[in-house]
Amino acid sequence: IAGITQAPTSQILAAGRRMTLRCTQDMRHNAMYWYRQDLGLGLRLIHYSNTAGTTGKGEVPDGYSVSRANTDDFPLTLASAVPSQTSVYFCASSDSSGAGANVLTFGAGSRLTVL
Amino acid sequence: LAKTTQPISMDSYEGQEVNITCSHNNIATNDYITWYQQFPSQGPRFIIQGYKTKVTNEVASLFIPADRKSSTLSLPRVSLSDTAVYYCLVGTLWVTGGGNKLTFGTGTQLKVEL
Repeated sequence: IAGITQAPTSQILAAGRRMTLRCTQDMRHNAMYWYRQDLGLGLRLIHYSNTAGTTGKGEVPDGYSVSRANTDDFPLTLASAVPSQTSVYFCASSDSSGAGANVLTFGAGSRLTVL
Repeated sequence: LAKTTQPISMDSYEGQEVNITCSHNNIATNDYITWYQQFPSQGPRFIIQGYKTKVTNEVASLFIPADRKSSTLSLPRVSLSDTAVYYCLVGTLWVTGGGNKLTFGTGTQLKVEL
């Protein structure tokens, strides 16, 4: 793999079910992010992580949780999915040093539909 | 965090130069300005980044005036393949222990026609 790998590519989920979106990077970037993208609303930050072992809340964290057990992986969990969480989810990472902190590498996205 | 404002959409023709301006009136001293490009069904892709004056790479130029309250992405001689959404992002340099909430606006939809 090169860059960021997200899985699944797409998923249809019944409301109330638990879902984990996986994100793995092989660039040894310290920082990782989860965004959701909805038509007309651009990209909105859900959660982020400075480094392994730490996480923080973004603009729209409610209903989502993350963990950062190691540098490479940053899974996003929906404990009990609701239809409003239907969206395209993008994972991203960046080098946390200086100006590189703002240069994000994105995955291809995970399209989630909650019925 | 500096809020950014961009035009919702722009139209152009092949071979023309396109300039997309982003306003960020409350930019902080340590903030960098970064532009991304996003094609349908793909994640955003880094285009260019700058702090002040002008930056140029093989893809685009970025013009930043002295007050840094706005920036302009310049795409020379666009082609159909430049049709995409362009995002301006203003973010603070990494602060130890503080984290970095990088937030995007709604972007500018550029449509290039023949």
